[in-house]
Amino acid sequence: DAGVTQSPTHLIKTRGQHVTLRCSPISGHKSVSWYQQVLGQGPQFIFQYYEKEERGRGNFPDRFSARQFPNYSSELNVNALLLGDSALYLCASSPRTGEGQYFGPGTRLTVT
Amino acid sequence: RKEVEQDPGPFNVPEGATVAFNCTYSNSASQSFFWYRQDCRKEPKLLMSVYSSGNEDGRFTAQLNRASQYISLLIRDSKLSDSATYLCVVNVNSGYALNFGKGTSLLVTP
Repeated sequence: DAGVTQSPTHLIKTRGQHVTLRCSPISGHKSVSWYQQVLGQGPQFIFQYYEKEERGRGNFPDRFSARQFPNYSSELNVNALLLGDSALYLCASSPRTGEGQYFGPGTRLTVT
Repeated sequence: RKEVEQDPGPFNVPEGATVAFNCTYSNSASQSFFWYRQDCRKEPKLLMSVYSSGNEDGRFTAQLNRASQYISLLIRDSKLSDSATYLCVVNVNSGYALNFGKGTSLLVTP
C-alpha cells in the first residue's frame, strides 16, 4: 500500500511570498495532521483535520491555514513567509484520532 | 516546562549492547504514548505504541508508568542499523495532536 505522499519535496521561497504544500494520506485514513520540524527539535503540531473538519490547531500564527478535501487529501498554506518559517513540513495520517500517526517524507521549505 | 522531556544524548554504544532511553511528560491527562524513530533528514517512523502493562516487539521493550509520568524504551542486542534519533511522543486532547520530545540520538558502533 502507498504511504503518505507530499509535494513538493523541496521548495525555495522569498520572504513575503505565499506557499501551498500538499498531502495525500494513506488510503482509508480520514485524519490528516501537519507538523513543522526545525533542525534539532521534534515536530511541532500545526493542524489536525478529521472528516474535512479542523479538530485541532497548534500555537501558530494566522498566516498558517489548512484544509482537507472530500478525498481526504490536504493542503497547508502559509502567507507572508518569514525566514523563521524555514523548516521541514510533515504531514501525517491515521485511521482515527488518538492512534499512532504515519508520516510522509515531508516538504523542505527554505525562505530566503 | 516542556510537555515531553528527553535526554538528547548522544548515546554511543557498541554493537550487541543494551541501551535504555527515558522520557517524562507533564500532562497527567495524556492518553496515548508512542516511540518514533527518525533517521537523519527523514520523516519520523512509528516504532511502537506504549501500553500501561508494558509491551515488547522483538528487541524493543517499552514501559509506561502513569503515576510517575515516565516512559522508557529498552533496546537489546543493538545493531548498527539502530543508529537514529528516538522520539518520545505523547497524545493529549482526545488525540488532536502528538507532542514530541526533542529526541535522543543513538549511535551504535562496530
